[in-house]
Amino acid sequence: SAVISQKPSRDICQRGTSLTIQCQVDSQVTMMFWYRQQPGQSLTLIATANQGSEATYESGFVIDKFPISRPNLTFSTLTVSNMSPEDSSIYLCSVGGDSSFDLGYEQYFGPGTRLTVT
Amino acid sequence: GIQVEQSPPDLILQEGANSTLRCNFSDSVNNLQWFHQNPWGQLINLFYIPSGTKQNGRLSATTVATERYSLLYISSSQTTDSGVYFCAVASGNSGGSNYKLTFGKGTLLTVNP
Repeated sequence: SAVISQKPSRDICQRGTSLTIQCQVDSQVTMMFWYRQQPGQSLTLIATANQGSEATYESGFVIDKFPISRPNLTFSTLTVSNMSPEDSSIYLCSVGGDSSFDLGYEQYFGPGTRLTVT
Repeated sequence: GIQVEQSPPDLILQEGANSTLRCNFSDSVNNLQWFHQNPWGQLINLFYIPSGTKQNGRLSATTVATERYSLLYISSSQTTDSGVYFCAVASGNSGGSNYKLTFGKGTLLTVNP
């Protein structure tokens, strides 16, 4: 398995500001993903963070709103830009889904970042 | 895209009771996982089970890929089993740009003492 940490664990932000969330993995991984979980809802994939290239975004999510960096095989950041109260959610980092680096095909999730926008 | 349906949406049990949660999916999948989200929001991996049956203590799971469903069994439930149980299925090419894990809406389980 993989040990995943996220910073910050929670934050309260004012509308119009931006927050950058960090995800650190204890081993090298090929696939890293960012998910959003709105209050009382299920998890939705925002994007796949690709090392050395631009992230691949799901329908309904755009790079200007959710810029992602992936500088190496153990680290990624997600920025939530120009926030509004509708961005209040838990944001989760995830790794796995392929057989590289001995993780197998199972996906693992970080503890999440609980964001409240006022 | 692939559809994932979980039932029941809510379930209330007395401690010690058994339960079965169901996950139906609309297309063939590369893998299937069950997660438990505890009250603090942490997602805990329960099973990676693209097919067959697995058991881990009081929990077991069965996936019948040809019929596109999976079942999660919880026996002798405890209050610590409370939380949301998610089924998630993977589609696309593993390691490829179209790979994606799609979640169902979850089953909210409450176990009362």
